[in-house]
Amino acid sequence: DQQVKQNSPSLSVQEGRISILNCDYTNSMFDYFLWYKKYPAEGPTFLISISSIKDKNEDGRFTVFLNKSAKHLSLHIVPSQPGDSAVYFCATTSFSNTGNQFYFGTGTSLTVIP
Amino acid sequence: NAGVTQTPKFRVLKTGQSMTLLCAQDMNHEYMYWYRQDPGMGLRLIHYSVGEGTTAKGEVPDGYNVSRLKKQNFLLGLESAAPSQTSVYFCASSPLSASGYTFGSGTRLTVV
Repeated sequence: DQQVKQNSPSLSVQEGRISILNCDYTNSMFDYFLWYKKYPAEGPTFLISISSIKDKNEDGRFTVFLNKSAKHLSLHIVPSQPGDSAVYFCATTSFSNTGNQFYFGTGTSLTVIP
Repeated sequence: NAGVTQTPKFRVLKTGQSMTLLCAQDMNHEYMYWYRQDPGMGLRLIHYSVGEGTTAKGEVPDGYNVSRLKKQNFLLGLESAAPSQTSVYFCASSPLSASGYTFGSGTRLTVV
């Protein structure tokens, strides 16, 4: 049973506009969340993270929002650039997880149109 | 600054053949992982290791075995390949709990 869901397999956005990628999780024990970005024929690379003690974390054009009550995570990219076109995975774990095992969503393919 | 290196990058196997995928990391990370990526399924954990000489099962361990004889290497074995094991395999490592992973570039395996 999928513990982390990304319900939008794909998203297209005009360059300069905002991209919003969403992620839902089922387990309230999860307390650390990450977003990874993946280009074709490459491994995923870390983008941004947030712990459950926060509801927002910013890094340049990227902002992650966490709504614990709704078990919902979102990634905002402003402004979107063509180089942001990639597959984005959300991932989550629990600090009490001794093996540091992350559960990944199914991914959202973002296309930024010039 | 190699990070995580996976070999081979591509492989085609016949049903029933065996093979080993090698993962090597040069960051002195304690934890290492093998994931598979399939369309519509995201990344699913096969096996992982929290230190040299230790291994544990993940979400989808059936049909795979692993070994971590040296801290820097994590091997994934398929004893008798099946078409259902056609996938892209990613190795990852992390230094400690609640840290993000460093991924390798993947191995695309096709079983015919």
